[in-house]
Amino acid sequence: NAGVTQTPKFRVLKTGQSMTLLCAQDMNHEYMYWYRQDPGMGLRLIHYSVGEGTTAKGEVPDGYNVSRLKKQNFLLGLESAAPSQTSVYFCASSQSGGLWGEQFFGPGTRLTVL
Amino acid sequence: AQSVTQLGSHVSVSEGALVLLRCNYSSSVPPYLFWYVQYPNQGLQLLLKYTSAATLVKGINGFEAEFKKSETSFHLTKPSAHMSDAAEYFCAVSPGTYKYIFGTGTRLKVLA
Repeated sequence: NAGVTQTPKFRVLKTGQSMTLLCAQDMNHEYMYWYRQDPGMGLRLIHYSVGEGTTAKGEVPDGYNVSRLKKQNFLLGLESAAPSQTSVYFCASSQSGGLWGEQFFGPGTRLTVL
Repeated sequence: AQSVTQLGSHVSVSEGALVLLRCNYSSSVPPYLFWYVQYPNQGLQLLLKYTSAATLVKGINGFEAEFKKSETSFHLTKPSAHMSDAAEYFCAVSPGTYKYIFGTGTRLKVLA
């Protein structure tokens, strides 16, 4: 099993450009999450999904959109990138939410917006 | 509302010394508690989780944590630090729904 994979690993954007980050998991997990990690701030939840076809806002959703058309994939989109979105983005999945279920994380995408 | 506080954003220990990383939580419901480790340029990996079966939880790489309800704490310990333990450690709490709340992390440095 590959677990959770993320594409791309690195990306540099100019302000105003758009991009999509892809997350894929092969564990048949129901729940998927997108976080951003910034120094001294831990992980902050951007959006999450509790099943195929569902999405919901997390703690810091502004400037991002998501889609979960297939159970194994969770896409994070930036329509018009801003320097404040420079961060490391992590995708995670879990089977049963917090009930006994730990999250499995991808390796991260390091995004720089100039 | 649930929250997590990790005391000390940076901790340094000598190789072979005790590692103690502190985590306090607040939760209005019985919590599910986790410790994750993040090595440089990698994602987070689960070290251990509290399942309410036992207050002392053993994890990977010789780490363990003790759940103390009266102190609302879930501190992470390891008797003898190794150079390979240098990483960032995150405590997390979940009320049992989709939600996980992470602390701000503690970066552990191991001195030779």
